Amino acid sequence: EIVLTQSPGTLSLSPGERATLSCRASQSVNSNYLAWYQQKHGQAPRLLIYGTSNRATGIPDRFSGRGSGTDFTLTISRLEPEDFAVYYCQQYSGSYTFGLGTKLEIK
Amino acid sequence: QVQLVQSGAEVKKPGASVRVSCRTSGYGFTSYYVHWVRQAPGQGLEYLGIINPRSDYTIYAQKFRGRVTMTRDTSTTTVYMELSSLTSDDTAVYYCAREEPAHCYFDYWGQGTLVTVSS
Repeated sequence: EIVLTQSPGTLSLSPGERATLSCRASQSVNSNYLAWYQQKHGQAPRLLIYGTSNRATGIPDRFSGRGSGTDFTLTISRLEPEDFAVYYCQQYSGSYTFGLGTKLEIK
Repeated sequence: QVQLVQSGAEVKKPGASVRVSCRTSGYGFTSYYVHWVRQAPGQGLEYLGIINPRSDYTIYAQKFRGRVTMTRDTSTTTVYMELSSLTSDDTAVYYCAREEPAHCYFDYWGQGTLVTVSS
């Protein structure tokens, strides 16, 4: 089973700043099967990015994803107040696994 | 619009079983897989398994095999997840989520069902 390690665990930034979140896999992941989700307190996760770099329907273009092999990144170009949340990466490679999440908090 | 609406919160005693429902609407029920994911308080997301509503075929995460059962009712477009032999470690919010076959990501989620296991 592939283990996904997300870093940092917590990221403290201010609105308007750029956020870079990392997701590292214990083995190579097919880039078609790497996704990112946003979860706000008390809510279900929301799909942001699928296939490493494709934005889901309705997701603003300040969200972008890239990567390959074992290293993947989610970038939020200019943070809006509503972006402060927990972010999870997820992969499929015979089984589905999630990272432990990065909490993006207001500095 | 696509909706996955889950049943309400449950409180169970250790050793009991719980069944959570996920009623779907707004799309072709047999055209999408349904998965179950849980989240313990303050923790991350943990995968339980998948059901194909068309074939009733299921695959369970190894950790839960023997303890989880997923079923569906095509007449009501509802999927069910039953977890048995509950312990306090099973206290969590349980989510159903939809996947378009072979896409391997979850585009719509239910609102979550809190299951509390306590004596």
